[in-house]
Amino acid sequence: DSGVTQTPKHLITATGQRVTLRCSPRSGDLSVYWYQQSLDQGLQFLIQYYNGEERAKGNILERFSAQQFPDLHSELNLSSLELGDSALYFCASSPEGNFYGYTFGSGTRLTVV
Amino acid sequence: GESVGLHLPTLSVQEGDNSIINCAYSNSASDYFIWYKQESGKGPQFIIDIRSNMDKRQGQRVTVLLNKTVKHLSLQIAATQPGDSAVYFCAENHSGAGSYQLTFGKGTKLSVIP
Repeated sequence: DSGVTQTPKHLITATGQRVTLRCSPRSGDLSVYWYQQSLDQGLQFLIQYYNGEERAKGNILERFSAQQFPDLHSELNLSSLELGDSALYFCASSPEGNFYGYTFGSGTRLTVV
Repeated sequence: GESVGLHLPTLSVQEGDNSIINCAYSNSASDYFIWYKQESGKGPQFIIDIRSNMDKRQGQRVTVLLNKTVKHLSLQIAATQPGDSAVYFCAENHSGAGSYQLTFGKGTKLSVIP
């Protein structure tokens, strides 16, 4: 157990729908990162939050959004889902300032049908 | 288990032999590199890291080599074991970018033959 908890583990939904993925970082970690892993694009950075504030943005679509709450858990919202959004979505957390603490969760597998 | 990628380069190694996994990185400004191991159904797991002011770093059964001239990184695994079977990714970071986001390579699938 990495200490980073992601729910749900699996999600199947229809095109056009909206889903929310949840991540609880390791205790004490202030930063949360979201990554998408698809068969053709590999692991791609989406967005980072640090202590509730957006810190960096990567290849995140406008249909996607995220936030980090006061208790430091984070949610990734995916809307108007398309077949191509099917992927593994990983959350990672870090204490910030220390790469040794950069830890990934087990991911949420999203299937859009 | 879950498939990470259907078109990954694959390296097959006999148990007990040494494995070498290679990675070409893209950003000459990157100054920090990490190797991750990803087993089926799990998230990437940290193996070893190296900063750009080093050429070589050793861990337990693993060694990372960095050649900045040709932007190449390699991971050497000594005495490869069945438990080493996984997909291996290199990842890079440019500290000047101001965050700890990582850019990942495509990955290599290591299969250990018992």
